[in-house]
Amino acid sequence: NAGVMQNPRHLVRRRGQEARLRCSPMKGHSHVYWYRQLPEEGLKFMVYLQKENIIDESGMPKERFSAEFPKEGPSILRIQQVVRGDSAAYFCASSPREYGYTFGSGTRLTVV
Amino acid sequence: TQLLEQSPQFLSIQEGENLTVYCNSSSVFSSLQWYRQEPGEGPVLLVTVVTGGEVKKLKRLTFQFGDARKDSSLHITAAQPGDTGLYLCAGRAGTASKLTFGTGTRLQVTL
Repeated sequence: NAGVMQNPRHLVRRRGQEARLRCSPMKGHSHVYWYRQLPEEGLKFMVYLQKENIIDESGMPKERFSAEFPKEGPSILRIQQVVRGDSAAYFCASSPREYGYTFGSGTRLTVV
Repeated sequence: TQLLEQSPQFLSIQEGENLTVYCNSSSVFSSLQWYRQEPGEGPVLLVTVVTGGEVKKLKRLTFQFGDARKDSSLHITAAQPGDTGLYLCAGRAGTASKLTFGTGTRLQVTL
């Protein structure tokens, strides 16, 4: 039973490029959450999605960031026109219902 | 905005010592979780506490939820090098699904 799969594990982007982070939830999990972690800090909530629906995006920056969880395929966190301040570890978690998270290993984004 | 403050931020101890990590807030949480995170990995859930005053034990780890559900503590007895990592508390407010994470406590246990 594979865990939450995130890819890529490491992503380097130049300022102004787009970053696409993917998250495949555990089998049977229909709830997906994205969190961001800056160095030496705790995780900050970004967005909560169920299949084809955004449930809570109160932690998403107003511009450049978007997320989706299509009926088929992984959840995608998209960051357009990346800036140095976007460099962080981005974690995805999934759950079979509203509670009971399992986290993936994260994608470490570096903007150069 | 709900905040969870953890103390201490850093802790370096020798194998066999005991330690306590604190997680405090001015807000009430419906449940609180503790995670351990190792470098390059995602957080791994250790425990969930739900009831005020609840105490849960996981081998050498003892977790307590404050009576008012605003704070929690993690006590480790006879620490081992394998306990090294970043310990994070995370609270859930009401029926919300999202978690508010604490600032983290980085523990180093040396031989």
